[in-house]
Amino acid sequence: DVKVTQSSRYLVKRTGEKVFLECVQDMDHENMFWYRQDPGLGLRLIYFSYDVKMKEKGDIPEGYSVSREKKERFSLILESASTNQTSMYLCASSFIGGTTWAFFGQGTRLTVV
Amino acid sequence: QKEVEQNSGPLSVPEGAIASLNCTYSDRVSQSFFWYRQYSGKSPELIMSIYSNGDKEDGRFTAQLNKASQYVSLLIRDSQPSDSATYLCAVRWDSGYALNFGKGTSLLVTP
Repeated sequence: DVKVTQSSRYLVKRTGEKVFLECVQDMDHENMFWYRQDPGLGLRLIYFSYDVKMKEKGDIPEGYSVSREKKERFSLILESASTNQTSMYLCASSFIGGTTWAFFGQGTRLTVV
Repeated sequence: QKEVEQNSGPLSVPEGAIASLNCTYSDRVSQSFFWYRQYSGKSPELIMSIYSNGDKEDGRFTAQLNKASQYVSLLIRDSQPSDSATYLCAVRWDSGYALNFGKGTSLLVTP
C-alpha cells in the first residue's frame, strides 16, 4: 500500500513561531504537494514539487515556503505563523503523468494561538 | 481563473436509493478527472478516476464524463449510511501537475 506519512496529527504553535510540517512517502513518487483545507473553501494548493529541489507555487503560497532535499520527503515551512494559518494541512504525492492520482497523508491540524 | 464547481449540499438520500453528485469544470482541455471521498476528520481517498467520455463503473459507483459539456458526475447505487461523507471532484488541467479540487458535496444517507 502507498503510504504518505505526515509527522504530526495535531500541532499547536504560537504566533510568530517558525513551523515545520514534514511529509514522507514510500512509493518513489516524483510529485509531492501541500494543500490546506478550510471549511467553505475546500482544498487549496500551497506548493508542489515535481523533483528533488524543484518547487512551484500553488494558489496560496504567501506566508509559506517548502523544501525538498530528498525524493521521499517534502517539508512545508511557515516562516512566521499567524492565526489565519490555522487549518488542516494535507500532504499528497503522485507519479508524474497526466492520468495519475494523488495519495494523501492523514493530515496535520495546525492551530496557531 | 480555472475552476471546479460542486454543489455543497447537503444531499440527503434514503438508504438504498441512487445518489447523484455533479461537478463542472472550466478548462475545456482538461484530461483527467477524479472523485475522492472524505469522511469527517479524515483525509481524502480516491474512489474513481475517468479520462474518456462516457461511463465508468466500479461496483456501486459509476463515474460519467461529458467533455463537451465540461461535466463529470458520480452515481452511487444502493446508497448505504456508510457512504455518508463529503465527495470531492478533482481535475488535472492539461498543463499541470496538481489536482484542482471542488469544494465538495456533503452526502447524507439516512436509514
